[in-house]
Amino acid sequence: DTAVSQTPKYLVTQMGNDKSIKCEQNLGHDTMYWYKQDSKKFLKIMFSYNNKELIINETVPNRFSPKSPDKAHLNLHINSLELGDSAVYFCASSQPQGLGESDTQYFGPGTRLTVL
Amino acid sequence: AQTVTQSQPEMSVQEAETVTLSCTYDTSESDYYLFWYKQPPSRQMILVIRQEAYKQQNATENRFSVNFQKAAKSFSLKISDSQLGDAAMYFCAYRSAFSGSRLTFGEGTQLTVNP
Repeated sequence: DTAVSQTPKYLVTQMGNDKSIKCEQNLGHDTMYWYKQDSKKFLKIMFSYNNKELIINETVPNRFSPKSPDKAHLNLHINSLELGDSAVYFCASSQPQGLGESDTQYFGPGTRLTVL
Repeated sequence: AQTVTQSQPEMSVQEAETVTLSCTYDTSESDYYLFWYKQPPSRQMILVIRQEAYKQQNATENRFSVNFQKAAKSFSLKISDSQLGDAAMYFCAYRSAFSGSRLTFGEGTQLTVNP
């Protein structure tokens, strides 16, 4: 049973297209995230949702729009894809803990996006 | 803003030996959490170990342990009795206790385990 799943795992598309990546978690967590890992393997937060509410929105182009239909799903839609969007996109989830306790983020398998 | 630095892009170790991966971070906060994640060639991000900054005792998980030096802002990972399956990219990560749950990652250290 996969805890955090993403579809698709690989996505190859042409510049200018619009694409979506889906993420689902079956852990019952309230918080979900999108991270981007670039060609140098550097990981950076893009968005975070808590119970369907956007709580983190880093400096990301407006072409990227997250959507959370319910707290188990966080999808990422990308408009007008550019060459620089090629990367691996990771979804993650966590459950906020009490004061002084750290939540652990569980990651999905990643989606490798290639823009030609 | 917090930053995390891993100064060793690549490390190698002989099977069964011990290796230490370095991580330093910069923060003005007093309460935070630190993590080491492993990313094998499968691409999956796997939590290896975590440390709460308020805890003085270093965290350990089987063959993995950390050396947390809060004053020096250092958080190194020691892998004992290295196994071939430990070969992966290792990321150090920081999470503030106050400003949301984002993880700030270091650049990563690619660990090779030689048989």
